[in-house]
Amino acid sequence: GQQVMQIPQYQHVQEGEDFTTYCNSSTTLSNIQWYKQRPGGHPVFLIQLVKSGEVKKQKRLTFQFGEAKKNSSLHITATQTTDVGTYFCASKLSFGAGTTVTVRA
Amino acid sequence: SAVISQKPSRDICQRGTSLTIQCQVDSQVTMMFWYRQQPGQSLTLIATANQGSEATYESGFVIDKFPISRPNLTFSTLTVSNMSPEDSSIYLCSVGGGANYGYTFGSGTRLTVV
Repeated sequence: GQQVMQIPQYQHVQEGEDFTTYCNSSTTLSNIQWYKQRPGGHPVFLIQLVKSGEVKKQKRLTFQFGEAKKNSSLHITATQTTDVGTYFCASKLSFGAGTTVTVRA
Repeated sequence: SAVISQKPSRDICQRGTSLTIQCQVDSQVTMMFWYRQQPGQSLTLIATANQGSEATYESGFVIDKFPISRPNLTFSTLTVSNMSPEDSSIYLCSVGGGANYGYTFGSGTRLTVV
């Protein structure tokens, strides 16, 4: 599968602040998917990006696919306690290491 | 998207024994996928299961250790054989949801081998 690297591994965020998690590949990706896994839960599909430079928004979440289709990012604004969990990027059944997000109230 | 029923949700097993995990999907799907998620880690694909043919295993996983059945288009099982403590993980099944729906996962089986 296509290997995807994801940073940071951990993100400790003050409630109300923004943060970004990044996903990178050494090869061009056909698509990139993002998932969220709550503590004790299973991964839940958030979004898929396919086109070069694509940007999609889901409320406070903004997903970007790089122009070269080798990187992607997830930006969350005004973090809330409901954002706690691990966010994974994935491409062709290969998952990144995940960014585990904790929120300080 | 599909709904997957996975069981058992958790089990504690003795080393040397085997455990069979079942996944039932509420619709017919061509491919089902089995993943392992070790504590605090990402998901690693074990194998892809197609109905009517042998499963395709990823590097590092073999049929003798993780036999898979796929008797029809809505059901699959994964057996973890001759278990050791290193097999303690969460095992998840998954199906594709079509072009824009990503993959849907079962709720997972949390396996502890003692």
